[in-house]
Amino acid sequence: DAGVIQSPRHEVTEMGQEVTLRCKPISGHNSLFWYRQTMMRGLELLIYFNNNVPIDDSGMPEDRFSAKMPNASFSTLKIQPSEPRDSAVYFCASTSERGGEQFFGPGTRLTVL
Amino acid sequence: AQSVTQLGSHVSVSEGALVLLRCNYSSSVPPYLFWYVQYPNQGLQLLLKYTTGATLVKGINGFEAEFKKSETSFHLTKPSAHMSDAAEYFCAVRLMIKAAGNKLTFGGGTRVLVKP
Repeated sequence: DAGVIQSPRHEVTEMGQEVTLRCKPISGHNSLFWYRQTMMRGLELLIYFNNNVPIDDSGMPEDRFSAKMPNASFSTLKIQPSEPRDSAVYFCASTSERGGEQFFGPGTRLTVL
Repeated sequence: AQSVTQLGSHVSVSEGALVLLRCNYSSSVPPYLFWYVQYPNQGLQLLLKYTTGATLVKGINGFEAEFKKSETSFHLTKPSAHMSDAAEYFCAVRLMIKAAGNKLTFGGGTRVLVKP
């Protein structure tokens, strides 16, 4: 099993640019989560999907952030326009109903200049 | 609402000494409980979990944790610290009710430093 796959691993962009982060969950998992981690705020849940449907997006900071899950094997998190305060590590995680534990990807380190 | 409290954002231990990381939760129903470890520049990795049954659970790398319902605690221990245990550790809770979905609530994390 390849685990949760995220791309890119590192992204450096300039303020105002659009950023798209990608995630491939573990095959067979029906829930997918996007988290953001910073020194100041720790680990924050941004949004999660169940069976490709967004269930809870209350953690999405503002309208500049959007997430989609067009099918069971792919999700994107988009920031448009990006700002320096969006600099963080973004994690994707997936889980199945039975196990309970979430499996995390390696993360995308985003730097907005 | 459920919450997870990890006592101490930083813990320093000597190599070979006991590692004890504290986690308390608040929940009106019995939850599933998890400990994750995060090494530098990596994602979170599951150390161990409690769902039902035996309250003392063993995980990877010699770690174990005990669920104490009366104390609403799930403290993590390792008898003898190794240099490779230097990392950040997160306690997490999942409420096993339909309304909660598959979400985990994470504690703030405890960073462990191991001194030679």
